Amino acid sequence: AQSVAQPEDQVNVAEGNPLTVKCTYSVSGNPYLFWYVQYPNRGLQFLLKYITGDNLVKGSYGFEAEFNKSQTSFHLKKPSALVSDSALYFCAVRDPKTGTASKLTFGTGTRLQVTL
Amino acid sequence: SQTIHQWPATLVQPVGSPLSLECTVEGTSNPNLYWYRQAAGRGLQLLFYSVGIGQISSEVPQNLSASRPQDRQFILSSKKLLLSDSGFYLCAWSVIGAHSNQPQHFGDGTRLSIL
Repeated sequence: AQSVAQPEDQVNVAEGNPLTVKCTYSVSGNPYLFWYVQYPNRGLQFLLKYITGDNLVKGSYGFEAEFNKSQTSFHLKKPSALVSDSALYFCAVRDPKTGTASKLTFGTGTRLQVTL
Repeated sequence: SQTIHQWPATLVQPVGSPLSLECTVEGTSNPNLYWYRQAAGRGLQLLFYSVGIGQISSEVPQNLSASRPQDRQFILSSKKLLLSDSGFYLCAWSVIGAHSNQPQHFGDGTRLSIL
């Protein structure tokens, strides 16, 4: 069975500093990996995905993520954090062999707090 | 472009009352549809998913049911709500297909409080 771990409940960073939100996964084959962001009382917004190819994936709002197959990780990064980046971030994985349902397994979320 | 609508945005219901939450998708045909529950602003629990009209799969046994009467309409229901049904309910859609690498797209949710 596939699984996702987000080891940090909360990440604190000063505005202008780089940020990293960690994610590790477990899946039997080659994974499809996704990052989402959730603002208060809103749904999840898609940020970026890794399917195949270049290990560094660029997404919305200046975010990027690095896929590392040997470490089974897919960490979210941004070179310079903004206060407006403060939100709840979810990593998700899909096993391509799970059929037409395209089900995702989500991590428990990491709250990012960016301060001035 | 595709859009997803959920309503109502908030709902307060007494224990034992019925429930109907609706989700509709525009701008796409034959999507996969999903219902999730999010407790305490954290992890998402997949409740139901559907790959076509009238086709519903349940992920966890519970007090809720789902139906898909039309291609782009997904309804979450209960005959008698429990206190434990409180939470933030999210609907999502994705492109159908065994090898789809497309993300799921979420509505803005319904916050359900049971009194």
